[in-house]
Amino acid sequence: NAGVTQTPKFQVLKTGQSMTLQCAQDMNHEYMSWYRQDPGMGLRLIHYSVGAGITDQGEVPNGYNVSRSTTEDFPLRLLSAAPSQTSVYFCASSYRLTTEAFFGQGTRLTVV
Amino acid sequence: AQSVTQLGSHVSVSEGALVLLRCNYSSSVPPYLFWYVQYPNQGLQLLLKYTSAATLVKGINGFEAEFKKSETSFHLTKPSAHMSDAAEYFCAVSLPNNAGNMLTFGGGTRLMVKP
Repeated sequence: NAGVTQTPKFQVLKTGQSMTLQCAQDMNHEYMSWYRQDPGMGLRLIHYSVGAGITDQGEVPNGYNVSRSTTEDFPLRLLSAAPSQTSVYFCASSYRLTTEAFFGQGTRLTVV
Repeated sequence: AQSVTQLGSHVSVSEGALVLLRCNYSSSVPPYLFWYVQYPNQGLQLLLKYTSAATLVKGINGFEAEFKKSETSFHLTKPSAHMSDAAEYFCAVSLPNNAGNMLTFGGGTRLMVKP
């Protein structure tokens, strides 16, 4: 069972470069979200989607874009990478808001 | 808006001792509450959740948590720690019927288990 799959697992970017973090789920979940994890700050919500074609901003959306063209995929785009975006990024999906959120393995991003 | 506070970023216990990880929340309405565990270099895994049913919730690996509305708390406990419990634990809250609000996490507590 694949669950939530994130790629890549590791990435190093130079300041100003752009890239897309991929997230796919095979559980037919409506809710998908992106979080960043920084030491001592827990996970903070970047963007989320409640269904295909519907996205909205979370707590820390600046510098990131998302789209949801299919139920399965929810890519996160960094437009112009900055050192402050060095973090571990997690994608999650859930059937409903009150049901278990399934997390991917994470992408460790370093911006130099 | 809701928020979560986890008291103690690091907790150390001896193997076999009681585990107590503290979580307090702030919410304008009765929330849904979750505890997740993260093992090194892995994603988060659900331990247990409270969604307005029984206030004492049992989860996986022998963990349980009690929802106390009067104290706005949802502390995680385990009677006897095992070495394999060493991990980081996150308390999280979400609001019912609020599709615009996903999970809000606390800062995390790293549990260390000494032999």
